[in-house]
Amino acid sequence: GENVEQHPSTLSVQEGDSAVIKCTYSDSASNYFPWYKQELGKRPQLIIDIRSNVGEKKDQRIAVTLNKTAKHFSLHITETQPEDSAVYFCAARSFKTIFGAGTRLFVKA
Amino acid sequence: EPEVTQTPSHQVTQMGQEVILRCVPISNHLYFYWYRQILGQKVEFLVSFYNNEISEKSEIFDDQFSVERPDGSNFTLKIRSTKLEDSAMYFCARTRDRGYNEQFFGPGTRLTVL
Repeated sequence: GENVEQHPSTLSVQEGDSAVIKCTYSDSASNYFPWYKQELGKRPQLIIDIRSNVGEKKDQRIAVTLNKTAKHFSLHITETQPEDSAVYFCAARSFKTIFGAGTRLFVKA
Repeated sequence: EPEVTQTPSHQVTQMGQEVILRCVPISNHLYFYWYRQILGQKVEFLVSFYNNEISEKSEIFDDQFSVERPDGSNFTLKIRSTKLEDSAMYFCARTRDRGYNEQFFGPGTRLTVL
């Protein structure tokens, strides 16, 4: 069945450093790749997304890249801040959205 | 972000009891989804629903689960005979179409089965 692998499961960085989270997907029909940030006890919040006809997208400190051939996509957060600390989920979507297992990001002040 | 609401926010039930979780739609959104998130784990797809029919469902969505739009408005997830392992957050989500658009998640219902 469809699967999304996400790494690392935990990531700890110093404030100001960059953070990179990587995902791979199995379903070739996937055409939409959202990234969600989830704070404790709250709903997943979309932070950025990328469609299959685009290789890269940037929104201020956040960027995503997509390699359709390799079925890889990545989230890059630059100049991290303590408030970036949360669990981040990648997802791949064709007709249903399959989530990765999540990455717990700690940004140390 | 358009408002997406769910009721109740927290439901406590005894094992074997039936529960109904509700999601309130917003305009222009035709596709509905239910997801489950067991504490500390990933979000898992349960079912998608379009035009009063199930579009896709996962292997988690077995015979104890059902979805419907009983009054053409609210979108419900029913669990017929709850088990301890059904304890989780249940999120509904909506999109304007099936493919490319953002899913708007509701705030979730925390289900606790005792």
